[in-house]
Parts: sequence; structure tokens; C-alpha cells
Amino acid sequence: NFMLTQPHSVSESPGKTVTISCTRSSGSIASNYVQWYQQRPGSAPTTVIYEDNQRPSGVPDRFSGSIDSSSNSASLTISGLKTEDEADYYCQSYDSSNPVVFGGGTKLTVL
Amino acid sequence: QVQLQESGPGLVKPSQTLSLTCTVSGGSISSGGYYWSWIRQHPGKGLEWIGYIYYSGSTYYNPSLKSRVTISVDTSKNQFSLKLSSVTAADTAVYYCARDIGGSGHFDYWGQGTLVTVSS
Repeated sequence: NFMLTQPHSVSESPGKTVTISCTRSSGSIASNYVQWYQQRPGSAPTTVIYEDNQRPSGVPDRFSGSIDSSSNSASLTISGLKTEDEADYYCQSYDSSNPVVFGGGTKLTVL
Repeated sequence: QVQLQESGPGLVKPSQTLSLTCTVSGGSISSGGYYWSWIRQHPGKGLEWIGYIYYSGSTYYNPSLKSRVTISVDTSKNQFSLKLSSVTAADTAVYYCARDIGGSGHFDYWGQGTLVTVSS
């Protein structure tokens, strides 16, 4: 089994750019797609990035995803931060033995 | 627009079986390519995938819960269900149902979630 490790929390000011990392413990990050979910308090998660870097319709282009094989990690970058971006963010990936693995989540504070 | 709605008891006694149903509207549960999942979230904690079912009845469970979990589907009612046996307080969580595109964790539709408390 592999794990996805995220920072517990990040904070940044409105208008700035923040990057949330997601490091895979074993197996190549590039071998299986990574999804990113946003969860606001009291609500179900919603997809902000799927298949490493694809945005669902309705998600602003301030959200972008990437992977870095050298660090075996994926990243979610949010530019032009808005207070409405304050939420928990979860990365998710899989392998042939584990269909769904979530990262522990990162609390984004926009202050 | 596909919608999912969880239903079931909000309170379950320890050692009993937790039973939830997810009703799908706006689309057929028999549509190929989608896996119908259960995910839970302990209070203040992260997401934990429980398992999924394909419309044909094929299932895959999280190994950590496999011995206690059963997921079933009723295509005639456009519903799928979760049973979790021998529950303890550690199973207290918000339970979500969700649609997974392709069975690899790309969830495009979620239910609103339902809190299940395990307590005597």
C-alpha cells in the first residue's frame, strides 16, 4: 500500500499564490492520475482538478495541477487567492491494488 | 444533473449493523463506466474510502474494512447500499455516497453526506 502525504495546513494572503503538495510514498506519481478535491465546512467535497491537471467546467483557471516525478509528488496551485478558496483540500490517487487512496488533507487559510 | 442522496438511521447501537442507502436520480445506476462508492469522514478528520460497486454487482472494498463491509446494488430502484457490521464508536462518521468515473477515485458527483453516530 502507498500513502499520500500532504502538509497539515497552509496559509496565504488574498491575491497571492499558494501551492499544496502531495507526496506519494511508493510507486511513481506519474503512473496513476491524481485528483484534487475541495471541501468547505459542512459540505461534500468537490473536484477542482482531475487527471493530474484537468479542471472540471466551472472551476476557475486560478486552480492548476501538476506532477513532479523527481520529488514523486503532485501539486495544487491556486493563484489570485480569494477568501472563498479557504477550505480543506485532498489529493487522491490509486494503483492496481488500491483503487482509491486519499491524502490526509490540507487546511488552507486565506488571511 | 445526477444527484445522490443518502438515507438511513442516524444512530446505531454498538455491535449492531449500520445500514445506509444511496438513491441516484438524474441518471441510471446501470450506466457503464461508473463505480458507485461509499466514503466516510470521521469528525474533524480526512476522507476514508470504504468501497465501491459496479452495476453488475462487482465490488471492491478497502482492505481495512473488508471483513465488516457489504455493498449491494438494486438497479430496479436505482439505489446502492452499505452495510457495516459490528460497529463501534470508531465508526461514528459522516458517510457519503459518490459516483466514481472509471473506478480510480475520480468522483464527479457526491451525496450531501449523512452523520451516523454509534452510541448506546
